[in-house]
Amino acid sequence: AQSVSQHNHHVILSEAASLELGCNYSYGGTVNLFWYVQYPGQHLQLLLKYFSGDPLVKGIKGFEAEFIKSKFSFNLRKPSVQWSDTAEYFCAVNPLDPSNYGQNFVFGPGTRLSVLP
Amino acid sequence: DARVTQTPRHKVTEMGQEVTMRCQPILGHNTVFWYRQTMMQGLELLAYFRNRAPLDDSGMPKDRFSAEMPDATLATLKIQPSEPRDSAVYFCASGLDVAGGTNTGELFFGEGSRLTVL
Repeated sequence: AQSVSQHNHHVILSEAASLELGCNYSYGGTVNLFWYVQYPGQHLQLLLKYFSGDPLVKGIKGFEAEFIKSKFSFNLRKPSVQWSDTAEYFCAVNPLDPSNYGQNFVFGPGTRLSVLP
Repeated sequence: DARVTQTPRHKVTEMGQEVTMRCQPILGHNTVFWYRQTMMQGLELLAYFRNRAPLDDSGMPKDRFSAEMPDATLATLKIQPSEPRDSAVYFCASGLDVAGGTNTGELFFGEGSRLTVL
């Protein structure tokens, strides 16, 4: 079964620091990739997604992610974080192979980001 | 503003009681997912429906959990009997399968049902 790993369990940054959260997946076929954010006490919301085309995708709130197919990675970045970015971030992979019904939308374990004011 | 609606938002119950959580997917969506979120396990997929048919419920404890879609506007997740280890936040998410077999779109999440079993 495919899996999604996220490099860091908890990241602590000061405001204005740059952010990079790692995400790797194990599936070898064509995939759609997502980053979701969960603010404290809230549900998951989509930050950005990659389906095809330019491997550098831009999302909401200044976030971007780069798909590197050769590395099976989809790392999330933000040049300057704010206190309001404090949240949990989930990478998700959706394989496009119809035989993988059971593998739809596999989420990584999440990375908790704490931004200090 | 289309959204996934879940009820109840909070539920406190005693061990052994039946719990039913409900989800109204976004109108027109044809896939529904149930996830459980805990501090220890993170997000776990419990069940997945496409066009109301269950496609994967391998993540669900079969002896006490059941998931159904009585119609296209309602998905239910039932626990009977409930146990303290079932305490978690249960999320429902819906999406649109546009590729005739795979869900290529994003998932939209409800606000979750926080379950506490004493």
